[in-house]
Amino acid sequence: GNSVTQMEGPVTLSEEAFLTINCTYTATGYPSLFWYVQYPGEGLQLLLKATKADDKGSNKGFEATYRKETTSFHLEKGSVQVSDSAVYFCALSENYGQNFVFGPGTRLSVLP
Amino acid sequence: NAGVTQTPKFQVLKTGQSMTLQCAQDMNHEYMSWYRQDPGMGLRLIHYSVGAGITDQGEVPNGYNVSRSTTEDFPLRLLSAAPSQTSVYFCASSHTQGVNTEAFFGQGTRLTVV
Repeated sequence: GNSVTQMEGPVTLSEEAFLTINCTYTATGYPSLFWYVQYPGEGLQLLLKATKADDKGSNKGFEATYRKETTSFHLEKGSVQVSDSAVYFCALSENYGQNFVFGPGTRLSVLP
Repeated sequence: NAGVTQTPKFQVLKTGQSMTLQCAQDMNHEYMSWYRQDPGMGLRLIHYSVGAGITDQGEVPNGYNVSRSTTEDFPLRLLSAAPSQTSVYFCASSHTQGVNTEAFFGQGTRLTVV
């Protein structure tokens, strides 16, 4: 079956540091890939997505590139802010945004 | 702009009790689903529906029932709560067509079964 693996953390960074959260996946088909973010006490919000190989998703300074050859979708940001502190989930879907398979989530804390 | 609304936000149940978690969306989305979130496991799909009158099982359906009598509502029923069902539950909805469709999540229901 399909699965998503990501570093669990927690990850603690200082403000303005570079962020990478690794995500790899296993899928039988050609899924779409997503990063969701969960702020404390809230539901999940879509951060970015990519629907085919070599696509780059980007939003709010975050980026991730769909790498089919390495089955990866690593999340990066060049300069994190305190407001980026949250839990980040990597996910895949074989029908564009339904029936997700999620990774375990990575808790990020950014210190001033 | 209500989006996806879940009620209640918090609930404590005794083992063996029943309850219904409510989920409503006002975006005319065909697809609705329920997930549970447990530490270290991410979110796992419980049940989903692609339209009124149509439901199907996800990865972890045991102990849960659903029905979809209207497009707007997708309640999740626990018939006899067990401590293993202690979790945070999220409802999500989206359109069923299109590459650019986006899933919207509710704010969650934190359920504790004692």
